[in-house]
Amino acid sequence: RKEVEQDPGPFNVPEGATVAFNCTYSNSASQSFFWYRQDCRKEPKLLMSVYSSGNEDGRFTAQLNRASQYISLLIRDSKLSDSATYLCVVNPADYKLSFGAGTTVTVRA
Amino acid sequence: NAGVTQTPKFQVLKTGQSMTLQCAQDMNHEYMSWYRQDPGMGLRLIHYSVGAGITDQGEVPNGYNVSRSTTEDFPLRLLSAAPSQTSVYFCASSYSRWDRRQETQYFGPGTRLLVL
Repeated sequence: RKEVEQDPGPFNVPEGATVAFNCTYSNSASQSFFWYRQDCRKEPKLLMSVYSSGNEDGRFTAQLNRASQYISLLIRDSKLSDSATYLCVVNPADYKLSFGAGTTVTVRA
Repeated sequence: NAGVTQTPKFQVLKTGQSMTLQCAQDMNHEYMSWYRQDPGMGLRLIHYSVGAGITDQGEVPNGYNVSRSTTEDFPLRLLSAAPSQTSVYFCASSYSRWDRRQETQYFGPGTRLLVL
């Protein structure tokens, strides 16, 4: 079983729509959680960390559910520039990060 | 700050050839790592280092060597290239935390490697 699993999508949404997706992780001892964004053929960049109580950053909201071992990302009022692959990242052990394969979001005009 | 730099950007190798992928960072980060990214798979950790002189294996270390003689540089060596090593390679760096949890990783632009 993969340590981090994501729905690959793609999620095709119109501008202004809300899109949400989850990822699940297998190691219950995981301590840190992140969402990274990766544009086509570019390097991943941190979108936001995910805190136990959930957190927002502008139009982006992340939630953590430790009991069910999943994290979620919700994007409100989607922009064309939000089109990207979103990587779920979990810290299951010392100095290690596990990456999901990514969820592709395409926002259309 | 240049951040994390990688060279080369593209490389084509023949099976059996060796080469070194270069990675450097100017942020004085203690932690550096190498990942490979293949279609349909997440980034997989090859090797990492928590400081100069200290390296350790990640998830997929076979066929690769690393060294960390300075804080800034973390080269990845392919000893005898194989077609299975065709991939995109990313170097990353971050601060080390005292509790060994991961901080934000800063990635280089990647090296696209094709092994024929």
